[in-house]
Amino acid sequence: AQTVTQSQPEMSVQEAETVTLSCTYDTSENNYYLFWYKQPPSRQMILVIRQEAYKQQNATENRFSVNFQKAAKSFSLKISDSQLGDTAMYFCAFRNGGATNKLIFGTGTLLAVQP
Amino acid sequence: EAGVAQSPRYKIIEKRQSVAFWCNPISGHATLYWYQQILGQGPKLLIQFQNNGVVDDSQLPKDRFSAERLKGVDSTLKIQPAKLEDSAVYLCASSLVRSRDGRRGGTQYFGPGTRLLVL
Repeated sequence: AQTVTQSQPEMSVQEAETVTLSCTYDTSENNYYLFWYKQPPSRQMILVIRQEAYKQQNATENRFSVNFQKAAKSFSLKISDSQLGDTAMYFCAFRNGGATNKLIFGTGTLLAVQP
Repeated sequence: EAGVAQSPRYKIIEKRQSVAFWCNPISGHATLYWYQQILGQGPKLLIQFQNNGVVDDSQLPKDRFSAERLKGVDSTLKIQPAKLEDSAVYLCASSLVRSRDGRRGGTQYFGPGTRLLVL
């Protein structure tokens, strides 16, 4: 069974600095997708970034980028120039490429951006 | 484009009572998901529909939970009777059948959730 592990329950960063959130996963699949979702206090889960396992190039979305290490089964999220609005719970999620699109989530990392 | 809509946003009930949640997915999204998020945990899939058919309900406690999507658009999730451990946020998400790269399974977009407290 696939599992997703986020080993950092909480993190803190100063405004304008860079922070990296860690995620590891376990799977025997070769075709899969990885995601980072953000969940602010309002509870709306928002997609931050997505990575297809068949792509070697790391995904980037503005200030957000990932370091995808397929062999190590690692998928970290880097937030550059942190902003107060980045304060939220961040979930790493895995989905295989099969018929069911079930997302398997980690337990989340609570990120606090300090002014 | 309107997002995923859910109602109610909050619900407080006593154990053994019944409760129902409603979800309206993004227009054109054939796939709809219900997740349960217990405090301090990541969401867990309860059931996945494609149009009005069930794709995966392996983690749905079928003795008390039921869900339907009769016309392939809106969906309702019901709990009857509720237990204390059902206190959670119930998230609805929707996606296209295929992603932009043509592969199976589009990105899932989530609604605001319904926070349920069972006393």
